[in-house]
Amino acid sequence: DTGVSQDPRHKITKRGQNVTFRCDPISEHNRLYWYRQTLGQGPEFLTYFQNEAQLEKSRLLSDRFSAERPKGSFSTLEIQRTEQGDSAMYLCASGPRNPKGSGYEQYFGPGTRLTVT
Amino acid sequence: GENVEQHPSTLSVQEGDSAVIKCTYSDSASNYFPWYKQELGKGPQLIIDIRSNVGEKKDQRIAVTLNKTAKHFSLHITETQPEDSAVYFCARGTSGTYKYIFGTGTRLKVLA
Repeated sequence: DTGVSQDPRHKITKRGQNVTFRCDPISEHNRLYWYRQTLGQGPEFLTYFQNEAQLEKSRLLSDRFSAERPKGSFSTLEIQRTEQGDSAMYLCASGPRNPKGSGYEQYFGPGTRLTVT
Repeated sequence: GENVEQHPSTLSVQEGDSAVIKCTYSDSASNYFPWYKQELGKGPQLIIDIRSNVGEKKDQRIAVTLNKTAKHFSLHITETQPEDSAVYFCARGTSGTYKYIFGTGTRLKVLA
């Protein structure tokens, strides 16, 4: 399978704990995005990387959230001191370096469902 | 505003009938409009997209139309099948930022 992969698929944690999620984009995709999706809503943009550079962060990304993409390949999203309001599906997407058309395509992974108890 | 409005929120059609989902936006800088299908427990799957220099695009049973003047775009699914049942999301993108702003989704149910 050459699609976007995410690990873990499910995470249950207690309030106050730290969690880290990993995303492996489609090979050679230089754009990588993180979104958050709550039940019954569309995905909300969190942050965007082009290669290893983090170029944009949403106001949703509080100082408890940090994302990295150290070598321009996989990315991690860490949430510190989790709160119940952090419970959501965290989605990763990637986009191609030499895209067809306008180059805005994003391909999503299966997501990591976080439950904070 | 930044949001994308999507209607209807739920849609039930008989197998073989057509389904239409509409989205409106207000940011005139938007120039890319993808549609995603999301099945339960899965990530969104890109099914079709349209750029602002095109008014209509078709791919087998799926088509998308864009009216830039009115700032709305629509997804049309013809000859619906039970496997089309899912939640569909529209989104808009703008060159430079690349991030998507998503609609709130439409739950489509195709009745056999």
